[in-house]
Amino acid sequence: EAQVTQNPRYLITVTGKKLTVTCSQNMNHEYMSWYRQDPGLGLRQIYYSMNVEVTDKGDVPEGYKVSRKEKRNFPLILESPSPNQTSLYFCASSSRTVNTEAFFGQGTRLTVV
Amino acid sequence: GESVGLHLPTLSVQEGDNSIINCAYSNSASDYFIWYKQESGKGPQFIIDIRSNMDKRQGQRVTVLLNKTVKHLSLQIAATQPGDSAVYFCAGHESGGYQKVTFGTGTKLQVIP
Repeated sequence: EAQVTQNPRYLITVTGKKLTVTCSQNMNHEYMSWYRQDPGLGLRQIYYSMNVEVTDKGDVPEGYKVSRKEKRNFPLILESPSPNQTSLYFCASSSRTVNTEAFFGQGTRLTVV
Repeated sequence: GESVGLHLPTLSVQEGDNSIINCAYSNSASDYFIWYKQESGKGPQFIIDIRSNMDKRQGQRVTVLLNKTVKHLSLQIAATQPGDSAVYFCAGHESGGYQKVTFGTGTKLQVIP
């Protein structure tokens, strides 16, 4: 089954404690992205990757890091989480074919206290 | 800056009636648009797309209309069903290269049985 898998689904952490949210896709997609979703603000792009070892900032990259060492994986790293990073996070992947739909993971609800 | 936004945050519709969800975009570079449906606790899912060289596209019970002159698109759902209750997002893709995607803030559709 084609899917994007995020882990964990829920996470409560404390300010400053480094964490990683994993994302994996099994569709051999070149493009992967991370979004955060906040009430009234919709989905905002954090980082995206066009292929292995190619990443770029989205609209709200501050406080986040990503890496793309393998095509299927695109982890999101919060080196020093802060309460304003409490949000619902989605990973998405899409094909390199121009203009195609994105496939989203189930989401990770992160709370930073 | 560029934005893709929705006119109404919440739309209540009687079961069996038609629903119309609107979206305005400001980025003239957007040439491909997608409507996503997000059910509670899930990631967004593709509903229908439309390219800028079209003004209408129909799917099963859904129709998307694009008016490039006023930078507006709409999603029409025929014979709305309880299972259509969700948040609907429009997303605009810029032309060329990796699609920088901008999402609207979402409209919550509530279907009244």
